[in-house]
Amino acid sequence: RKEVEQDPGPFNVPEGATVAFNCTYSNSASQSFFWYRQDCRKEPKLLMSVYSSGNEDGRFTAQLNRASQYISLLIRDSKLSDSATYLCVVNPDPYNQGGKLIFGQGTELSVKP
Amino acid sequence: EADIYQTPRYLVIGTGKKITLECSQTMGHDKMYWYQQDPGMELHLIHYSYGVNSTEKGDLSSESTVSRIRTEHFPLTLESARPSHTSQYLCASREKGINSPLHFGNGTRLTVT
Repeated sequence: RKEVEQDPGPFNVPEGATVAFNCTYSNSASQSFFWYRQDCRKEPKLLMSVYSSGNEDGRFTAQLNRASQYISLLIRDSKLSDSATYLCVVNPDPYNQGGKLIFGQGTELSVKP
Repeated sequence: EADIYQTPRYLVIGTGKKITLECSQTMGHDKMYWYQQDPGMELHLIHYSYGVNSTEKGDLSSESTVSRIRTEHFPLTLESARPSHTSQYLCASREKGINSPLHFGNGTRLTVT
């Protein structure tokens, strides 16, 4: 089992749709979580950190469920510009000095007119 | 916006050449990372450093080496490039702290002919 697993894509949705991605993690000691966005042939960029109580940034909402060990990303009112690959990132061991973060394989989103 | 720079942006080089990919950050981050990513595929951690004079191999075996003589500089070297090294190389850094996210450079796209 991979340490971090994401919903397999691609997700093809019409403009204006609401879409949700899930990401599960295997290490219950994981303390910090992030969603990144990666456009084709570009570097990943931080979309949002995920806080324990859940957090929202405009059309984007992130949730954390520690009991079930998953995080989610909800995108409301999808725009064409939301088309990208969304990466789930987990810090599995906050006491690890190197601070390696674990990436999921990514979920591709394609928003169509 | 994070200040982390990679050079060159694109590099086409012949087999057997020695190359060094440069990565510099001006944020004073202790932790730095090198990832390798093929088009449409997952990121793979190949090297990381948690401070000056510390370097560790990542999860993906790599024939490259790194050094960390200064906080801001984390170059990656291939002693003898091969076509199998053709890929995108992404440098990233983050500050101390459980909740600190990764900041990526814009990558070096390497082609070995």
